[in-house]
Amino acid sequence: AQSVAQPEDQVNVAEGNPLTVKCTYSVSGNPYLFWYVQYPNRGLQFLLKYITGDNLVKGSYGFEAEFNKSQTSFHLKKPSALVSDSALYFCAVRDRGNNRLAFGKGNQVVVIP
Amino acid sequence: SQTIHQWPATLVQPVGSPLSLECTVEGTSNPNLYWYRQAAGRGLQLLFYSVGIGQISSEVPQNLSASRPQDRQFILSSKKLLLSDSGFYLCAWGDRNYGYTFGSGTRLTVV
Repeated sequence: AQSVAQPEDQVNVAEGNPLTVKCTYSVSGNPYLFWYVQYPNRGLQFLLKYITGDNLVKGSYGFEAEFNKSQTSFHLKKPSALVSDSALYFCAVRDRGNNRLAFGKGNQVVVIP
Repeated sequence: SQTIHQWPATLVQPVGSPLSLECTVEGTSNPNLYWYRQAAGRGLQLLFYSVGIGQISSEVPQNLSASRPQDRQFILSSKKLLLSDSGFYLCAWGDRNYGYTFGSGTRLTVV
C-alpha cells in the first residue's frame, strides 16, 4: 500500500531564510507526487506535482520540490520564506495503478517575522 | 473549467440532529469523488469515495453515510449526529492533473 511520511510536526523558520518541508514515500512502482497547502478553515490548494521528467519541479508561490528516487523523498523547498507562507503543508503520493492519493499527516510551517 | 462547490461553509448542529453536506462538481463528467474529515487542523481521514453514480465505498465504520444520486453530486449524511462528528469536512474530486481538487470545506460543530 502507498504511504507518505512527514516526520516533523512543525517547522519554524525566520522570514527570509530557506524553508524545507520533508516528505518520504512508499509506493510500488513509479509514483505521482504532490504538495498541497492549507490555510486555516480552507480547503487544500495544489502547489506542485511530479509526474515524470525533470526531478526538480517548480510550483506556485516560489515553491519547488525535488524528486529523489533512491531516497524515496520529495522535499518541498523555498529559498526565502515569507510570513504569508505560514500554513499547513501536505505531501501526497499516488500509485500509478490506482486513483487514490495517500496523504501525509501534514506539517505546520511557522514563518517568524 | 472544472470547479467544485461545497456547502455550507459552517454548521452548528445539536447532538442527535440529522446532517446533510453537499458537494457538486462542474466542468467534468464521471469524476471520482471523495469525502474527508480533518480533526484539529491536522491529518486527513478518508471517509468515503465514489467512482460513479450509486457506487460508494466506506473507509471507516462510523455514524456517517454517503450517497451519489447524480454524476457530479456527492452527499454526506447522518441520521443522528454525535459530538465526535465535529470537524472540518472536505470534498474532493480526482482531477485531470492526476491529483485532487478540494472544495472549500465545511466546519461542523456538534453541540
